[in-house]
Amino acid sequence: DIQMTQSPSSLSASVGDRVTITCQASQDINTYLNWYQQKPGKAPNLLIYDASNLKTGVPSRFSGSGSGTDFTFTISSLQPEDIATYYCQQYDNLPPFTFGQGTELEIK
Amino acid sequence: EVQLVESGGGLVQPGGSLRLSCAASGFTFSSYWMSWVRQAPGKGLEWVANIKEDGSERYYVDSVKGRFTISRDNAKNSLYLQMDSLRADDTAVYYCAREVRVYKCQDFWGQGTLVTVSS
Repeated sequence: DIQMTQSPSSLSASVGDRVTITCQASQDINTYLNWYQQKPGKAPNLLIYDASNLKTGVPSRFSGSGSGTDFTFTISSLQPEDIATYYCQQYDNLPPFTFGQGTELEIK
Repeated sequence: EVQLVESGGGLVQPGGSLRLSCAASGFTFSSYWMSWVRQAPGKGLEWVANIKEDGSERYYVDSVKGRFTISRDNAKNSLYLQMDSLRADDTAVYYCAREVRVYKCQDFWGQGTLVTVSS
């Protein structure tokens, strides 16, 4: 199975800061990498698919990049409503479609 | 509007069984792969199983193989997860999610249903 290593596990930043989260796959997954946001008590919400494509309706301050084994998720200017846990997920050819451990983002 | 509504969760003893349901609306259910994903209390997300549009292919994470069965009824726009031989470490919120295979992602999720395995 493909393992996903996400870092950091937690992050504290100020409103307006640029925030970056990384995700590393244990093998080449092309660009089959998604990013989800999960607010407390809520279901996950897809933000980015195929490494860099923004889901319709998601604010443009969210972005993603990478291919192969190394991926990056960025919030260009942190807003109070972005407080959540963020997960990467690989979606290579065969299941299981494993998630990273998650990054808990809080406001400083 | 796409809606996924899970039901069937609850408290069950170790070794027991439970059947989860997911009612879909707002899209052509029979045209999508569907998944179950779970989240243990205070933990991260774990992909559990998925099923092809017509039910002809099904995949599972190793930890549930032989104990869980994913199925669907396209006439009823419903997805199911039959869970047998339940263990304490199956305790989690179970989410159903719609898959978009061409984009390789899960684009809509239900609100989840809590399964607690305890004596």
